[in-house]
Amino acid sequence: QVQLQESGPGLVKPSGTLSLTCAVSGGSISSDNWWNWVRQPPGKGLEWIADIYHRGTTNYNPSLQSRVTISVDAAKNQFFLKLSSVTAADTAVYFCARVPYTLDGFDVWGQGTVVTVS
Amino acid sequence: EIVLTQSPATLSLSPGERATLSCRASQSVSGYLAWYQQKPGQAPRLLIYHASNRATGIPARFSGSGSGTDYTLTISSLEPEDFAVYYCQQRNNWSITFGQGTRLEIK
Repeated sequence: QVQLQESGPGLVKPSGTLSLTCAVSGGSISSDNWWNWVRQPPGKGLEWIADIYHRGTTNYNPSLQSRVTISVDAAKNQFFLKLSSVTAADTAVYFCARVPYTLDGFDVWGQGTVVTVS
Repeated sequence: EIVLTQSPATLSLSPGERATLSCRASQSVSGYLAWYQQKPGQAPRLLIYHASNRATGIPARFSGSGSGTDYTLTISSLEPEDFAVYYCQQRNNWSITFGQGTRLEIK
């Protein structure tokens, strides 16, 4: 079955850019799914960041849109997150997750990666 | 942006009891409502999609209902492993939001 694995630096300096990769295994990123980033600050709830369809269509959380870029590399079966001008408020566990085109929910999640801004 | 409000914030029940969790949207989400369970240190797990459809492998004691702006997750008889945090989530107009969560704790 499809598995997702996040990777990237665990520590980012304030005003810097957070860059994460999500590797998709057990299936093709070019299938009928939306590929997403979701984050969870320590002790808090879930916040959707952005999604992308393999053909390049993207959607962003309006509150983060000015700082976020999501992209995909179908040849590598990976998608990416860049978040610029980070502050301590961006410290969180970052998850990548899949929403099938015919569903409204995230059915596959990565294990999450902790990113600290300090 | 559609705001989802979950209630109660915390629910204290005993194993074997029935749990009823509520999620109210600031405007209709047309049934595009999902529910998740999250345990400490884990990613969320999809329980219910399209308001009332159980995801693959989810026990029958979990059920979802609702329409328009009001939705409910019901756990018919609590098992020890059900004590966790539950989130609702909507997908509408190419944007996704989550509720703030309900913590289900052992009484």
